[in-house]
Amino acid sequence: AQSVTQLGSHVSVSEGALVLLRCNYSSSVPPYLFWYVQYPNQGLQLLLKYTTGATLVKGINGFEAEFKKSETSFHLTKPSAHMSDAAEYFCAVTRTGGFKTIFGAGTRLFVKA
Amino acid sequence: DTAVSQTPKYLVTQMGNDKSIKCEQNLGHDTMYWYKQDSKKFLKIMFSYNNKELIINETVPNRFSPKSPDKAHLNLHINSLELGDSAVYFCASSQGTTRDNQPQHFGDGTRLSIL
Repeated sequence: AQSVTQLGSHVSVSEGALVLLRCNYSSSVPPYLFWYVQYPNQGLQLLLKYTTGATLVKGINGFEAEFKKSETSFHLTKPSAHMSDAAEYFCAVTRTGGFKTIFGAGTRLFVKA
Repeated sequence: DTAVSQTPKYLVTQMGNDKSIKCEQNLGHDTMYWYKQDSKKFLKIMFSYNNKELIINETVPNRFSPKSPDKAHLNLHINSLELGDSAVYFCASSQGTTRDNQPQHFGDGTRLSIL
């Protein structure tokens, strides 16, 4: 069975600083991996996804994530945080051939002025 | 023109009542989902329909019953509401199932509060 672990339920950065949100997964077969963002009182929106091929995936709003099979990780980064990035971020995994998407517990990103 | 719309946005009701949440998507997707998000933001799949066929039916109380009259609609009916049902319920849709590596599009949620 697949699972997702997001390290750190809260991350706080200063505006302009690097954003790093960590995600580790477990899956017995090659996974599909996603990052979603949730703003207050809204549903989740797709930031980026990894299927196969290039391990560095670029998403919207300047975010990117790198799939590292050897580390079973899919960490999300952004070079320079903006106040508007403050939100809840979810890492998710789907097993190839599986119907269910499993979501991590979420990481709340705070951006300080 | 909202892609995935849920009604109502807020639902406050007494324990023991029966209520329904409606969901409609205008994206032309063939798969729809219901998720429950608890107070700690944990998101759990409840049901999924593909072309009106139930493909995911997680371990939820049988007081919860989904209904998909067509591919664009997936409603959730809840009988005998309990305090523990208080949560935010999200509807989502995708083109193809998650087997096809398709991302999901989420509605803005229905905030259910049981008094």
